[in-house]
Amino acid sequence: EVKLVQSGAEVRKPGESLKISCRGFGYRFTDYWIAWVRQMPGKGLEWMGLFYPGDSDTTYSPSFQGQVTFSADKSISTAYLQWSSLKASDTAIYYCARGGSGTHYPFDQWGQGTLVTVSS
Amino acid sequence: QTVLTQPPSASGAPGQRVTISCSGSSSNIGRGTVTWYKQLPGTAPKLLMYYDDQRPSGVPDRFSGSKSGTSASLGISGLQPEDESDYYCAAWDDSLNGWVFGGGTKVTVL
Repeated sequence: EVKLVQSGAEVRKPGESLKISCRGFGYRFTDYWIAWVRQMPGKGLEWMGLFYPGDSDTTYSPSFQGQVTFSADKSISTAYLQWSSLKASDTAIYYCARGGSGTHYPFDQWGQGTLVTVSS
Repeated sequence: QTVLTQPPSASGAPGQRVTISCSGSSSNIGRGTVTWYKQLPGTAPKLLMYYDDQRPSGVPDRFSGSKSGTSASLGISGLQPEDESDYYCAAWDDSLNGWVFGGGTKVTVL
């Protein structure tokens, strides 16, 4: 069974750093793009970017370029989303999702989401 | 402000048909295919329709997708209580070099 399992909810203060994870199971992790999607409270889905664990190829949405960093540890089939300095406006649920072998493939499996709360 | 435009809400009685529109442009829907996701309250989105009109395994054939020019539609026939959910369209945008989503449509079963 293909599934993505994300790390648990986090609470941080503005200015703090954070790294959340997304572990893939049931498929060859390095062969599929991973998408990151933000959902702010009560709002819709926003595409943040794509990461290819096979060669670390990355595409960021212009809205998130320079604000976040994608990475992965292939040895444990885990992708990461990290912030170096959080803002209150980063409060949201963050989803990882599996794409395909190319950037244009739909997202066929989603993680359960990680709630990030940034508050002083 | 989203790149793809969806109506914020739609509704219908059980058994009726509901159609959700998704309007884009020549750089996204007009150039590629449309994907639809369903998101129940408090849960992660789930793939509902891809390549305009293809249903993943397990999605009932009550759901249908279509596309014409720079617009797409998701149809739900024989509306059931479990169809009450948020629905999002998405497409790759060649100008932005990335995925774009619609703002989502909340479907209510009356």
